[in-house]
Amino acid sequence: GAVVSQHPSRVICKSGTSVKIECRSLDFQATTMFWYRQFPKKSLMLMATSNEGSKATYEQGVEKDKFLINHASLTLSTLTVTSAHPEDSSFYICSAQDPTRAQYFGPGTRLLVL
Amino acid sequence: AQSVSQHNHHVILSEAASLELGCNYSYGGTVNLFWYVQYPGQHLQLLLKYFSGDPLVKGIKGFEAEFIKSKFSFNLRKPSVQWSDTAEYFCAASYNAGNMLTFGGGTRLMVKP
Repeated sequence: GAVVSQHPSRVICKSGTSVKIECRSLDFQATTMFWYRQFPKKSLMLMATSNEGSKATYEQGVEKDKFLINHASLTLSTLTVTSAHPEDSSFYICSAQDPTRAQYFGPGTRLLVL
Repeated sequence: AQSVSQHNHHVILSEAASLELGCNYSYGGTVNLFWYVQYPGQHLQLLLKYFSGDPLVKGIKGFEAEFIKSKFSFNLRKPSVQWSDTAEYFCAASYNAGNMLTFGGGTRLMVKP
């Protein structure tokens, strides 16, 4: 099946710093990628839809200036958490959509902000 | 707003038992349906998907799901579960050829050896 990777898998940072998370589709091109946040014992919460070559579409309540998304190529989208605070600590998951519109998920990035 | 519901939050079965996990979606036009599985410590994996055609969809690892339009349901089934099927299962839907997936709350399945 289609493979999506994320890097890093875990990151610990100090409050106030910025963290960049990469999402790559390894064996297919994805014009659309998605960024989710997963809270403990809860389902995925869609944060934004990332379209190659255009601005991301953010869900209601997600701060676009805080969670910067760049989809520079058909195989790479990045999420930058700017000026991270402890409440941003979470599990961030990306997915990439193949031409059939099925979404394939990355392994996730666990962010801990101290 | 569109929604997907999974009424079974936790299911415990013995090996070789048959499995059926419920999934209902709200009306919202043309719907595409998916089942994902998340094994302990692993990421979400696509089990199967329905876009059109035969309402009985076969997926990986012996799973299948049936789209019943009149019941707004897309239940996941497996005739005989194994211990290795212990995982959390998520039903999801996208509407009107849109990109966004709406997830159900998930069902935790534990299979006792």
